[in-house]
Amino acid sequence: KQEVTQIPAALSVPEGENLVLNCSFTDSAIYNLQWFRQDPGKGLTSLLLIQSSQREQTSGRLNASLDKSSGRSTLYIAASQPGDSATYLCALNYGGSQGNLIFGKGTKLSVKP
Amino acid sequence: SQTIHQWPATLVQPVGSPLSLECTVEGTSNPNLYWYRQAAGRGLQLLFYSVGIGQISSEVPQNLSASRPQDRQFILSSKKLLLSDSGFYLCAWSVQGAGEQYFGPGTRLTVT
Repeated sequence: KQEVTQIPAALSVPEGENLVLNCSFTDSAIYNLQWFRQDPGKGLTSLLLIQSSQREQTSGRLNASLDKSSGRSTLYIAASQPGDSATYLCALNYGGSQGNLIFGKGTKLSVKP
Repeated sequence: SQTIHQWPATLVQPVGSPLSLECTVEGTSNPNLYWYRQAAGRGLQLLFYSVGIGQISSEVPQNLSASRPQDRQFILSSKKLLLSDSGFYLCAWSVQGAGEQYFGPGTRLTVT
C-alpha cells in the first residue's frame, strides 16, 4: 500500500523566511508528483508537477525537487509572504495518465507579517 | 482557457435523502474526470474516475455512484445519504495522457 507522509503537519514562520516542506513516500514507482495549495474552504490549486524522469521544477519563488531513490520530495518557498499562508499538499500518481492521486495530509503553513 | 465548475457550493441534507452533485469542465475535450472526498482529519481520497462518456471506475466501495452523461459533465449521486457521507467533495480533470490534475472549487456536504 502506497503511503504519503508530510512533515511537519503545521509550520509558522516570520515573513521573508525561506522554508522547506517535506513529502516522503514508500513506493518509488511513481508516474509523477504534484504539489498543491489549498486555502481554507477552497479547492486545490496546482503549483508544480514533476514527472518521474525529472529532478526538479521551478515556478517563481517555488522550487520542487524529487528524489525517487530516497522516496522524498521537497517544496522550497523563497522569501515567504503572508499570502503564502495555506495548506500545502503533495500527491503521487502511480497509475499513469489516468491514475489516481494519493495525497499526503498536508502541511499547514502560516506566514506572519 | 479551461474552467471547472461545481455546484452547489454547499449543501445540508438529512440522513436518507438523495444526493446529486454536478461538475462541468469548459475549454477542453475528452478529459479524464475525477471525484475526490476530503473528510475532516483525513486526507483526500479518490472516489471515482472516468476516461470517457459512460466509463466509470470506482476506487472504494461506498454509498455513492457516479455518472458521465456528457463528455464534460460528471455527476456524483446517492440514493440515501449516510452521516459518514459528510465531507468536502472535489471534482478534478486532466488531459488524457498528461497526468496533471486540476481541481474545482468543491462542494461542502453536511449530512444531518
